Amino acid sequence: DTGVSQDPRHKITKRGQNVTFRCDPISEHNRLYWYRQTLGQGPEFLTYFQNEAQLEKSRLLSDRFSAERPKGSFSTLEIQRTEQGDSAMYLCASTLGGTIRGYTFGSGTRLTVV
Amino acid sequence: RKEVEQDPGPFNVPEGATVAFNCTYSNSASQSFFWYRQDCRKEPKLLMSVYSSGNEDGRFTAQLNRASQYISLLIRDSKLSDSATYLCVVNPQVGGSQGNLIFGKGTKLSVKP
Repeated sequence: DTGVSQDPRHKITKRGQNVTFRCDPISEHNRLYWYRQTLGQGPEFLTYFQNEAQLEKSRLLSDRFSAERPKGSFSTLEIQRTEQGDSAMYLCASTLGGTIRGYTFGSGTRLTVV
Repeated sequence: RKEVEQDPGPFNVPEGATVAFNCTYSNSASQSFFWYRQDCRKEPKLLMSVYSSGNEDGRFTAQLNRASQYISLLIRDSKLSDSATYLCVVNPQVGGSQGNLIFGKGTKLSVKP
């Protein structure tokens, strides 16, 4: 296991469509985080899981967004009825406990809504 | 006031120059502080943690001033490969138990030959 992997790397979708992204964390990491990064901004926290439990959600995570981590391993982030403002890089990170030093980001999924 | 503020740059410097980045944070209870590096269209990667006593890693020196809520990063003898965006990052949680990080917008550095 070489790191956090995200799929797909790029996604272009039409406004109003639903999209789903996947994140596979480092296998022994029990915490998984989703961030969103728009051009010229730093990553912004969306939500995080400890094992399969979703423990915190940012106010940025509107009702159109849902995240799951059903077996405490991989996670999915779904965006329903996409809007142009959803265009961003969606980054996943994992860590063991809250150890920041072990906080590893995936390469991200770049979403473009047209 | 934004939680973490940085000068966005860009900083354009010649090779060999010394460059300093500054950052301020608003939550005085913040516990952990970091500098991340992000190359164009890549994910952020941890550059170094920041401690009150100051810490150094090769050409990089980080400093934290809790009283002023100020963080700095100094790069000496800059290399072309240092060209990237440098993100100031704060963990606002007491004890760092939650682990979600607050990122600044980043400061873009371009090192020229």
